[in-house]
Parts: sequence; structure tokens; C-alpha cells
Amino acid sequence: SQTIHQWPATLVQPVGSPLSLECTVEGTSNPNLYWYRQAAGRGLQLLFYSVGIGQISSEVPQNLSASRPQDRQFILSSKKLLLSDSGFYLCAWSPQTGEKAFFGQGTRLTVV
Amino acid sequence: GNSVTQMEGPVTLSEEAFLTINCTYTATGYPSLFWYVQYPGEGLQLLLKATKADDKGSNKGFEATYRKETTSFHLEKGSVQVSDSAVYFCALSDQNRDDKIIFGKGTRLHILP
Repeated sequence: SQTIHQWPATLVQPVGSPLSLECTVEGTSNPNLYWYRQAAGRGLQLLFYSVGIGQISSEVPQNLSASRPQDRQFILSSKKLLLSDSGFYLCAWSPQTGEKAFFGQGTRLTVV
Repeated sequence: GNSVTQMEGPVTLSEEAFLTINCTYTATGYPSLFWYVQYPGEGLQLLLKATKADDKGSNKGFEATYRKETTSFHLEKGSVQVSDSAVYFCALSDQNRDDKIIFGKGTRLHILP
């Protein structure tokens, strides 16, 4: 069966520090991969999505970036965190476009 | 571009009340429509889906019908329980347009015993 792993579950980072959140999927190949941020009152905001290795589409211009170095690995990064980067980050995958998505448990990021 | 609009929350109901959470969408094609649920402290999980007009998705007593004429996918349940307290997200995915999954802002539901 397919599973998705996202870590860490919680993270407290100082302003200006780098960020790396990792997401891996098991039990499937060539999934669509997604990074979302959930902020209070703003719902689920799509940040990045990828349909294949090295293919990244960015939805929101900001100081975050994403990479897909392997088929089932999706990484969210920042060189210098801002206070406004605080939020709940969710990774998700789907077998193909139009199919349902499976979500990780999320990472609660607090930038202080 | 494609978008999803759902009713603002929070919604507070008594146990056994009837629930409706409105969702409307904007899409150029024929998207698949979804309802996801997020229980406290957890990630999102699929509640139900519909892939074409007039399809009805159902799960755990919840239902939603894909209405192309009104571009709606309203979530309903005849008798809610305290355990239904969660945040509900309407979403769409249009494989004929792009590979995104677009979510509404979510509706927080509180069920009082």
C-alpha cells in the first residue's frame, strides 16, 4: 500500500535561518506531488506542485523553493526564513491529475 | 483560473441537526470535485468525490452532488454527530487544464452535544 511520510512534525526556527522540509512517498511511482501551506483564515494555499523529477511549478512567488531530486521525494526549502513563513505545511500526492490526493500529517513551522 | 468558494465558518450545530456546507466552483473544463476533512491535529483526508455532472459522492453519511448547471458541490448530512467536528475543504482538479488541486478556504464545523 502507499504511504506518505512528512517530517519533522513541528519545527521552531529563528528568522533568517534556512529551512528544509522533506516528504517521501512509498508504494507508487511517478506520483504528482504537492506542497500546501495552511494559515488561519486563508485555507489551503498551493505553493508548489510537480508531475515528475526535476519538474516544479510554483504558484506563489515568495522566498520558498521546492525540489524533486527523486521520483518520490519532494523537498520544501528556504535560504532565509521570514516571520510570515510560519504556518502548517502539508505535503500531498496523487496518482495522476484528477484523482484524489493523499496528505501527510503536516509540519507546524514557527518562525521566531 | 479555476477557483473554489465555500461558505465561511465557523458553523455551529447541535447533535442530530441537518448540515449543509455550500461550495461553488469556477472552471473552464469538467473538473473532478472533492470534499476533504481535517480532524483536529491531523492532516487532510478524502471524504468523498464526484467526477462528472450529476454524480453523487457519499461517505460516512455525508453526500454531495455535482451540479454543473449551478457549478456547485454542496456537502450535506442528515444528522450530524459530535465526532463530525472538523474543518471541511471543497476542492477541484481539472486534468484537462493543469495538474493543480485547488482548495477552498475551509469551513470549521462545531457540533455541540
